[in-house]
Amino acid sequence: GENVGLHLPTLSVQEGDNSIINCAYSNSASDYFIWYKQESGKGPQFIIDIRSNMDKRQGQRVTVLLNKTVKHLSLQIAATQPGDSAVYFCAEAPQDSNYQLIWGAGTKLIIKP
Amino acid sequence: ETGVTQTPRHLVMGMTNKKSLKCEQHLGHNAMYWYKQSAKKPLELMFVYSLEERVENNSVPSRFSPECPNSSHLFLHLHTLQPEDSALYLCASSQDGSLTEAFFGQGTRLTVV
Repeated sequence: GENVGLHLPTLSVQEGDNSIINCAYSNSASDYFIWYKQESGKGPQFIIDIRSNMDKRQGQRVTVLLNKTVKHLSLQIAATQPGDSAVYFCAEAPQDSNYQLIWGAGTKLIIKP
Repeated sequence: ETGVTQTPRHLVMGMTNKKSLKCEQHLGHNAMYWYKQSAKKPLELMFVYSLEERVENNSVPSRFSPECPNSSHLFLHLHTLQPEDSALYLCASSQDGSLTEAFFGQGTRLTVV
């Protein structure tokens, strides 16, 4: 069936390095792709989104890339900080979703000092 | 208070108990959501209320009963739960069903014994 998934369940990076979290999806009929961050003991927090008519979008220290040809989404975090340690979820909003998001299983990002 | 507040933060209940989870949002949003988050599984959307009317019910067992008395409050009534219902229950709110700007509460960690 249609689903959104992640390549790696855990990613460890050195503090100050850049991080790349990947996400694969199978539903090509989507309006939005969204990244959420969930810190320990907290609910998910919206980071950045991208529309299907875009390839790249930048925020503060974060960049989301969308490759519709291979149905791939990535989140790049520049100069990672200890506060970036969290589980990162990609989510997909199909055109006919009507409030539904299809969530990935999450990738845990660990920042090494 | 600001944001989305959930109470209690932790709840342990027996399979024959009746309990309720509460969610309150102070953001002026008109849509509210219940999600279930289990270990190593994607977030599962349970219920959606828009303008205090239920608009989504994703085949959730009847032992979960939502209530939305007004646009700021959402309840999840629980009765005769099973151990597999143990999970983190997250409440979220958004404006006009926006999937990209949903704000989540910290969740209620439910353990069914």
